[in-house]
Amino acid sequence: DAGVIQSPRHEVTEMGQEVTLRCKPISGHDYLFWYRQTMMRGLELLIYFNNNVPIDDSGMPEDRFSAKMPNASFSTLKIQPSEPRDSAVYFCASSIDRVASGYTFGSGTRLTVV
Amino acid sequence: RKEVEQDPGPFNVPEGATVAFNCTYSNSASQSFFWYRQDCRKEPKLLMSVYSSGNEDGRFTAQLNRASQYISLLIRDSKLSDSATYLCVATKAGNQFYFGTGTSLTVIP
Repeated sequence: DAGVIQSPRHEVTEMGQEVTLRCKPISGHDYLFWYRQTMMRGLELLIYFNNNVPIDDSGMPEDRFSAKMPNASFSTLKIQPSEPRDSAVYFCASSIDRVASGYTFGSGTRLTVV
Repeated sequence: RKEVEQDPGPFNVPEGATVAFNCTYSNSASQSFFWYRQDCRKEPKLLMSVYSSGNEDGRFTAQLNRASQYISLLIRDSKLSDSATYLCVATKAGNQFYFGTGTSLTVIP
């Protein structure tokens, strides 16, 4: 099992540019989560999907953020236009359909917007 | 009020010491609880689940107090390799996790 795979590992971009983060969940996991982590606010849930359907996107900061899950093996988080305050580590996580099993996180994308 | 609150520390303890972390959660309907460990510049990894009856995994013991709405993690005989940030997690319906901001532990030789 390759685990949750995220790309890119690092992204440096200029303010105003579009940024796309990618995630491949563990095969067979029904849930996929996008989190953002900063020193000040810790891990914040942005959005999560169940069977490719967005369930709760109340954590998405604003309209500049969007997420899709076109199939069970791929999800994207897009920021357009990016701003310096979006700089953070973005984690994708997946889990099977049992709360007790916990989440498995990807290694994250460290985003820096200059 | 945050869903989950932790003392950020840092906790600096000598090797071999016993250290305990507490974490409080605000939603009495929370169903499941976990401790995650996060090393510097790495992703969080599941350390252990927390069961109502308490559970132990080697040097690690987790306990849940539903009446007071807190969970705890006890680490005995601390090792240098235990140095990390420990995140507590409470869930609510829909498999949604709330993470605390983490407690930093440094084990000193």
